[in-house]
Amino acid sequence: NAGVMQNPRHLVRRRGQEARLRCSPMKGHSHVYWYRQLPEEGLKFMVYLQKENIIDESGMPKERFSAEFPKEGPSILRIQQVVRGDSAAYFCASSPETGGYIYGYTFGSGTRLTVV
Amino acid sequence: QQQVKQSPQSLIVQKGGISIINCAYENTAFDYFPWYQQFPGKGPALLIAIRPDVSEKKEGRFTISFNKSAKQFSLHIMDSQPGDSATYFCAAPIVNDYKLSFGAGTTVTVRA
Repeated sequence: NAGVMQNPRHLVRRRGQEARLRCSPMKGHSHVYWYRQLPEEGLKFMVYLQKENIIDESGMPKERFSAEFPKEGPSILRIQQVVRGDSAAYFCASSPETGGYIYGYTFGSGTRLTVV
Repeated sequence: QQQVKQSPQSLIVQKGGISIINCAYENTAFDYFPWYQQFPGKGPALLIAIRPDVSEKKEGRFTISFNKSAKQFSLHIMDSQPGDSATYFCAAPIVNDYKLSFGAGTTVTVRA
């Protein structure tokens, strides 16, 4: 399967715990984007990363949220001390190195985070 | 604020009918307007997109119409089928060439 892989598919956390969401981009893609989808809403941009670099984190909440895309391994979206309002679907997308970033956007199936 | 406004929020159409979804924007970084289809529990999948050197693009039963002067674009689903029942999102690159702003989505239900 050469698609964007996200895991886990579903994640339940108690308030105050940490959530770690993982994303492996498509083969040949070096750009990763995280989006959040709240119930009954469209996707909202969170962060754009390349290998070992955060390019744009303008959509990330200033506290408790962080993202990384290490040289080896998947991209990680980390939410510390989760609160009920963090419950959402988190989608990762990737795009190729050349040819225009958004033309090649491919989304994963998402991680559905539920905070209880 | 919502940078891409999508309507209606939901619609129900009979099998064989036409589904029409509309989107409006204020400004874009450049002209590229994709539509995504999302089934429950799945991620959004690119359905069709237009780079408006033309005002209309058709792929099978799906057509995008674009009105640059009005800053509006729409998706038409012809001969709607039950398998088309999904949520549809329009999007546009409002700020730059890597960040998409999405509409709020339209849930389409096609009744057999």
